Amino acid sequence: DAGVIQSPRHEVTEMGQEVTLRCKPISGHDYLFWYRQTMMRGLELLIYFNNNVPIDDSGMPEDRFSAKMPNASFSTLKIQPSEPRDSAVYFCASRLGGRDNSPLHFGNGTRLTVT
Amino acid sequence: GDSVTQMEGPVTLSEEAFLTINCTYTATGYPSLFWYVQYPGEGLQLLLKATKADDKGSNKGFEATYRKETTSFHLEKGSVQVSDSAVYFCALGNTGTASKLTFGTGTRLQVTL
Repeated sequence: DAGVIQSPRHEVTEMGQEVTLRCKPISGHDYLFWYRQTMMRGLELLIYFNNNVPIDDSGMPEDRFSAKMPNASFSTLKIQPSEPRDSAVYFCASRLGGRDNSPLHFGNGTRLTVT
Repeated sequence: GDSVTQMEGPVTLSEEAFLTINCTYTATGYPSLFWYVQYPGEGLQLLLKATKADDKGSNKGFEATYRKETTSFHLEKGSVQVSDSAVYFCALGNTGTASKLTFGTGTRLQVTL
């Protein structure tokens, strides 16, 4: 299996621009998670989906952030408009089932820099 | 709510030294416990796990034992290598929190020759 695939690996954009991050989970996994990692705040859960339906978006920082999962093999995280404080590494992860002992599988992340 | 506390880093060791990274947790019920490792420029990957009290998870020379009496899951390795330099995250999964894993803040390990 190719694992969780994220694109792009790096994104540099100017403040005010729209940014779209993409994720392809592992085939057959029914849970998908978006995380953000920064030095200051560590690893933060932004939102997660079960069977393409958003379950908990309480970690989404502002209305500028939105996430969709139109089908089982694709998800996007959009920031509009972007701000310098959004600079971080964004990870997508997927998981099979909701059992407490099933591990998360992470992608290699998208490093976002907003200037 | 559930929480995980890890020792502050960075931890700097010489090659072949013994490693311990402390992890304690707070949770209701009987959570599963995990250690994840993050190498530079990569996502987190599962290192080992334990699903019930007294279980020992092990992988690549690393071990951790699920201690319910002390609510701990300390990571150990008898002889570290330079290639073990990474950030290590302790995490727990609990049916009471649906499918979300609760992560610690991570501990950076630097191994030198």
